[in-house]
Amino acid sequence: SQTIHQWPATLVQPVGSPLSLECTVEGTSNPNLYWYRQAAGRGLQLLFYSVGIGQISSEVPQNLSASRPQDRQFILSSKKLLLSDSGFYLCAWSVGLFEAAYEQYFGPGTRLTVT
Amino acid sequence: AQSVAQPEDQVNVAEGNPLTVKCTYSVSGNPYLFWYVQYPNRGLQFLLKYITGDNLVKGSYGFEAEFNKSQTSFHLKKPSALVSDSALYFCAVRDMGGVTTDSWGKLQFGAGTQVVVTP
Repeated sequence: SQTIHQWPATLVQPVGSPLSLECTVEGTSNPNLYWYRQAAGRGLQLLFYSVGIGQISSEVPQNLSASRPQDRQFILSSKKLLLSDSGFYLCAWSVGLFEAAYEQYFGPGTRLTVT
Repeated sequence: AQSVAQPEDQVNVAEGNPLTVKCTYSVSGNPYLFWYVQYPNRGLQFLLKYITGDNLVKGSYGFEAEFNKSQTSFHLKKPSALVSDSALYFCAVRDMGGVTTDSWGKLQFGAGTQVVVTP
């Protein structure tokens, strides 16, 4: 069966510090991968998605970036965090971008607090 | 462009009573519709989906949803709510309206509905 991991689970970082959040998927190959941010415990905002190694699409211009160095690894980064970057970050995977009937499966999330 | 609306910010129901969480959508083509549930400080869990076929879809934990094309709705239902059903519920839509659509393949989530089931 497939599993998705995210770490760390929680993170407290000062403004201006760098960020690296990691997501890995097990039990599947060539997944589509997604980063979402959930602010104030409600709406989901798609940040990045990837259909393959090195292929990243950005949905929202901001100081965050994403990379996919391996097939089942997705990393969210920032060089300098802002207060507005605080939130709950969720990684998700799905079978394939054009396999549109398939649902996305979410990881446990990372709670980021920027102080 | 695709959009999805969850008109109720919160739904309160007594344990044992039927639960309904409303969702309406707007797409240019045919919709693929999904329901997710989120417990506090956890990721979203997939409940069920409508792709094609029978308008009544059955999913996990006793939940079901009814697709109504004329009303562009996909309401989530459970005949008898449990206290453990208290959570945040998200409806999502994927627009199948053509490969040139910017939203192709991407899920559009609603704002979420908080369900509170009281003993």
